[in-house]
Amino acid sequence: NAGVTQTPKFRILKIGQSMTLQCTQDMNHNYMYWYRQDPGMGLKLIYYSVGAGITDKGEVPNGYNVSRSTTEDFPLRLELAAPSQTSVYFCASSLLSGANVLTFGAGSRLTVL
Amino acid sequence: TQLLEQSPQFLSIQEGENLTVYCNSSSVFSSLQWYRQEPGEGPVLLVTVVTGGEVKKLKRLTFQFGDARKDSSLHITAAQPGDTGLYLCAGETGGFKTIFGAGTRLFVKA
Repeated sequence: NAGVTQTPKFRILKIGQSMTLQCTQDMNHNYMYWYRQDPGMGLKLIYYSVGAGITDKGEVPNGYNVSRSTTEDFPLRLELAAPSQTSVYFCASSLLSGANVLTFGAGSRLTVL
Repeated sequence: TQLLEQSPQFLSIQEGENLTVYCNSSSVFSSLQWYRQEPGEGPVLLVTVVTGGEVKKLKRLTFQFGDARKDSSLHITAAQPGDTGLYLCAGETGGFKTIFGAGTRLFVKA
């Protein structure tokens, strides 16, 4: 079982460039999430999705966009990269059966210079 | 704004010592999770607590959920170098939204 797979693992962007972080899960989870993790700040929710075709903003959505065309895939797009978007990004999914237990990917480290 | 505060932020101890990590909030949570994260990896679930006052044990780790479901603690007995990592508490606020504490970074020296 692959679980949650994120690509790329590392990426360096120049200010103003665009890119997409890919996330796919093979557990048939309806709920998917994107978090960013900054040093000493914990994980902040960027966007989430409750199923294919349905997405909504989290705590820090500015500068990002998402789509959910299938149950498996939940890509995160950065349109105009800014230094403030330098962070480690984690995709997660959950089944929401009882308590909401998240399964995380290994993360994508993004640096914007 | 709902916040989860973890303390201490950093802990460095010798192998064999005991330790307790705390997670506090002014909000009530329907459930609370503890995750452990190693460098270069995503957080991995250790335990979920749901009922106020609940105590769960996982080998040398003991987790407690406060009676009012606003706080939790993680106690490690006889810490080992393999316990080294970032410990995150996460509170479920109802529905499916989860908020995370900033974490406690634990280093256990051999």
